[in-house]
Amino acid sequence: NAGVTQTPKFQVLKTGQSMTLQCAQDMNHEYMSWYRQDPGMGLRLIHYSVGAGITDQGEVPNGYNVSRSTTEDFPLRLLSAAPSQTSVYFCASSGAQGTSYEQYFGPGTRLTVT
Amino acid sequence: GNSVTQMEGPVTLSEEAFLTINCTYTATGYPSLFWYVQYPGEGLQLLLKATKADDKGSNKGFEATYRKETTSFHLEKGSVQVSDSAVYFCALTLYRDDKIIFGKGTRLHILP
Repeated sequence: NAGVTQTPKFQVLKTGQSMTLQCAQDMNHEYMSWYRQDPGMGLRLIHYSVGAGITDQGEVPNGYNVSRSTTEDFPLRLLSAAPSQTSVYFCASSGAQGTSYEQYFGPGTRLTVT
Repeated sequence: GNSVTQMEGPVTLSEEAFLTINCTYTATGYPSLFWYVQYPGEGLQLLLKATKADDKGSNKGFEATYRKETTSFHLEKGSVQVSDSAVYFCALTLYRDDKIIFGKGTRLHILP
């Protein structure tokens, strides 16, 4: 049981480049989400999904796209990278939301945009 | 709106000291409350939780009691260790809501 996996661990992009951060979970969780973590800002929700084919915006969705074609995978796409997107990105999954279910986090992707 | 407020860090303590990290919340309805811990270079992991008023969550020597009257969920540990150095996040979820709400985190440094 690998839990939540994220790739890559580290990435450097130039301004304007695009890329996809991968996230996968093997726990058959319905709920998945993406956060970014910046110093002094805690975690901010980017996008989330309550099941395959269903996604919604979080607190800071601009500049990011997501899709959920399978229960297992929830990739995050950066359309045109900007220095303001330099951050650590975490994917998380949960058996359900709005309940006492815990969230399981991946190890994170550290992204630098120059 | 719904929110979580936790004490600003960093908190620096000597080994074997008593720890309290304050957390208060604002919520419509009856939330479930959580403490997550993030060790250096890792993602968050659940430390403990409580789902109703007066419940006490505990794990690894840490405890927190769900106090509805003071809307608080303070984290405590009687004797901290160097290995407890991490960032601690208080969080809440609400029934039939799609999101978990995190506090901004409190960084804890334990000196040997």
